[in-house]
Amino acid sequence: TQLLEQSPQFLSIQEGENLTVYCNSSSVFSSLQWYRQEPGEGPVLLVTVVTGGEVKKLKRLTFQFGDARKDSSLHITAAQPGDTGLYLCAGAEDYGQNFVFGPGTRLSVLP
Amino acid sequence: NAGVTQTPKFQVLKTGQSMTLQCAQDMNHEYMSWYRQDPGMGLRLIHYSVGAGITDQGEVPNGYNVSRSTTEDFPLRLLSAAPSQTSVYFCASSYQFRTSGRSPYNEQFFGPGTRLTVL
Repeated sequence: TQLLEQSPQFLSIQEGENLTVYCNSSSVFSSLQWYRQEPGEGPVLLVTVVTGGEVKKLKRLTFQFGDARKDSSLHITAAQPGDTGLYLCAGAEDYGQNFVFGPGTRLSVLP
Repeated sequence: NAGVTQTPKFQVLKTGQSMTLQCAQDMNHEYMSWYRQDPGMGLRLIHYSVGAGITDQGEVPNGYNVSRSTTEDFPLRLLSAAPSQTSVYFCASSYQFRTSGRSPYNEQFFGPGTRLTVL
């Protein structure tokens, strides 16, 4: 079973600060996704990265897939209270449709 | 489009009771899945289906049954509820993208979840 680790587990920062969260595995994934989940709701897909070394930007969020496709990072610039939530990464196995999820990073952005 | 819908939103059961969690999607996705989410453990796959009439087990299938009679619906049945099944349950559907020059990849869409408590 492929496992995903995420760090940090918890992060509390002030509005306007920058932050990076990490998703790591010893296994190779064919693609990797990042989700944000708010309390009482289901995860919402933010981005999918497929190619090793790929970088995708979504407004203030920058996602990177490691060259070896074993790890990924999410960088948020000038965090806002609306960024508060649980950030989950999920890796796809062998181009299939089954995903393994990391435990998540819980982000709190204080005004 | 309503996307992925789940009912009920909340449910309390006594140990030994049975119930069905409903899930429906209107995006004509072939692939559907059920996850449970527990604190500090992320989402774990219970069962999945790659199309009507086809189901398979995920990481934590014990105590749960599924069926897939139509593309739209994928109910999850708890046969005899146990306190260890207290969790938040999410249904998802996904679509595989195939584009020239890139490896195929899938994107999942989740329902709002069902919070289940087993006493």
